[in-house]
Amino acid sequence: NAGVTQTPKFQVLKTGQSMTLQCAQDMNHNSMYWYRQDPGMGLRLIYYSASEGTTDKGEVPNGYNVSRLNKREFSLRLESAAPSQTSVYFCATRLEGITEQYFGPGTRLTVT
Amino acid sequence: AQSVAQPEDQVNVAEGNPLTVKCTYSVSGNPYLFWYVQYPNRGLQFLLKYITGDNLVKGSYGFEAEFNKSQTSFHLKKPSALVSDSALYFCAVRDRSAGNQFYFGTGTSLTVIP
Repeated sequence: NAGVTQTPKFQVLKTGQSMTLQCAQDMNHNSMYWYRQDPGMGLRLIYYSASEGTTDKGEVPNGYNVSRLNKREFSLRLESAAPSQTSVYFCATRLEGITEQYFGPGTRLTVT
Repeated sequence: AQSVAQPEDQVNVAEGNPLTVKCTYSVSGNPYLFWYVQYPNRGLQFLLKYITGDNLVKGSYGFEAEFNKSQTSFHLKKPSALVSDSALYFCAVRDRSAGNQFYFGTGTSLTVIP
């Protein structure tokens, strides 16, 4: 039982390059979330998915796209990376109702 | 609008002393409140939550938190701090009537001094 896994753990991109961050869960949770964590700003929600096939924008969606193709996987895509997207990205999942979130280990992304 | 404030970026406490990490919130309805801990280079781990009922909530690793509706606060407490409690602590809120979104504070770095 791996919980929430994220790949890659680290990535360096040049401005304008694209990449996809992957998140997978084996907890059979319904909701999945993508956050970014920046110093002094806490966690900010990028996108979330309440169930398979649905996605909604969070607080900071610009420059990102997401895909929830099945219940297990929720990917985050940067089409044209910018230095402002340098951050640590966390995926989280939640069963439903009044439950808490479970977080992955994070992906540290640097855009030069 | 929903928001969470953690007024202290840094809290230092001596080992064995009680600790408090402060959190205040603002939601349009009734809140669900959460505390998470983050150790270096790790994801966030759930500590405890307030849903309803008793205002004093007990959680993992000896932590507890007190919900105060009149002061809109949810402070994290522990009677006797350990060096291993040193970490980054986040308060989060979810509005019961506003769907699936959680709002996080900016975090408080706790250092327990041996």
